[in-house]
Amino acid sequence: KNEVEQSPQNLTAQEGEFITINCSYSVGISALHWLQQHPGGGIVSLFMLSSGKKKHGRLIATINIQEKHSSLHITASHPRDSAVYICAVANTGNQFYFGTGTSLTVIP
Amino acid sequence: EAGVAQSPRYKIIEKRQSVAFWCNPISGHATLYWYQQILGQGPKLLIQFQNNGVVDDSQLPKDRFSAERLKGVDSTLKIQPAKLEDSAVYLCASSLVNVMNTEAFFGQGTRLTVV
Repeated sequence: KNEVEQSPQNLTAQEGEFITINCSYSVGISALHWLQQHPGGGIVSLFMLSSGKKKHGRLIATINIQEKHSSLHITASHPRDSAVYICAVANTGNQFYFGTGTSLTVIP
Repeated sequence: EAGVAQSPRYKIIEKRQSVAFWCNPISGHATLYWYQQILGQGPKLLIQFQNNGVVDDSQLPKDRFSAERLKGVDSTLKIQPAKLEDSAVYLCASSLVNVMNTEAFFGQGTRLTVV
């Protein structure tokens, strides 16, 4: 069983829809990261969370430490949001675990 | 601020050939990571450096993979000889101390195809 589980694996949405991607983890962590990966392969860090909630523009990330769960929300989705979104956690042993990613396609 | 630089962006080689990838982390970042990402999977850590010392290389296939960071700055990852299953994106990342305390910044990756 993977230390980090994401759902859904694939997601197609119409432009303007509200999108939620979920992440559950099974290890003790000191930080959780949401990453965005475009088809070329490069990865961009969107958020690093250790508690509560963070917001950047149309992106919102929340984490519930007790439930070992995080969500990434995209409001008013746009085709340029199409990418793979990866949840990753750093545990207290300084090891970094990745989910398998959620492939998002936003249709105009 | 310049990001993590990787080269080449793409590489196609035949099996049993050798290949090398290069990474230049963000200036001042002590920690450098090499990840292997097979299509449809999340990245898998190959090796983690703190300055020029190895912190974790437990998942590095040492019979064919090697990595070095001689001066604690740039790093190279080598595969010799390559196998078909080595086809993947190789990602380099760096951070100031470690991902417990700060963000990790990723390069654009090198897409390797072994034929």
